[in-house]
Amino acid sequence: AQTVTQSQPEMSVQEAETVTLSCTYDTSESDYYLFWYKQPPSRQMILVIRQEAYKQQNATENRFSVNFQKAAKSFSLKISDSQLGDAAMYFCAYRELGTSYGKLTFGQGTILTVHP
Amino acid sequence: NAGVTQTPKFQVLKTGQSMTLQCAQDMNHNSMYWYRQDPGMGLRLIYYSASEGTTDKGEVPNGYNVSRLNKREFSLRLESAAPSQTSVYFCASSRWSGQNEKLFFGSGTQLSVL
Repeated sequence: AQTVTQSQPEMSVQEAETVTLSCTYDTSESDYYLFWYKQPPSRQMILVIRQEAYKQQNATENRFSVNFQKAAKSFSLKISDSQLGDAAMYFCAYRELGTSYGKLTFGQGTILTVHP
Repeated sequence: NAGVTQTPKFQVLKTGQSMTLQCAQDMNHNSMYWYRQDPGMGLRLIYYSASEGTTDKGEVPNGYNVSRLNKREFSLRLESAAPSQTSVYFCASSRWSGQNEKLFFGSGTQLSVL
């Protein structure tokens, strides 16, 4: 079974600075999808970014980018120019190719605090 | 546009009581899912329904039953609640099982079993 590990229970960053959240995963598959979700205090789950494993280029979405290292099975999220609204729980997630879109394996989550 | 609606938002049960968590989506999605979220464990899939009329077990199905009532509604039932089922429950839906589709989440149900 696939596993996803987020080894940083909590992280903090100063407003306008950059922070990187770590994620590692274990799979025997060669093709799959990886995601970062944001969960603010409202409990809403918000998709931040998605990466297809077959794409070598790292995904980016405005201030959010990933460092995808397939051989190392590492998928970190970099948040640039951090804003107060970025404060939330962040989850890394994995999905096998060809499975139902909602069949995700999540990591434990990282709480991000943004200091003004 | 309501999206995915879960009821109730909060519930307190005594051990052994039963209850049903309701979920409805108005996006004409084929697939629906139930997750539970526990501190330090992330979200774990309980059951899912790839399409109307089908249901399948996820990672942690024990102690739960589901019903896909129609295309819109997917309920989760706890027949005899246990303290270990204290959690936040999320329903989600997607347009169909497959690639490149967005997953929509409800706002969650906070359940406490005493």
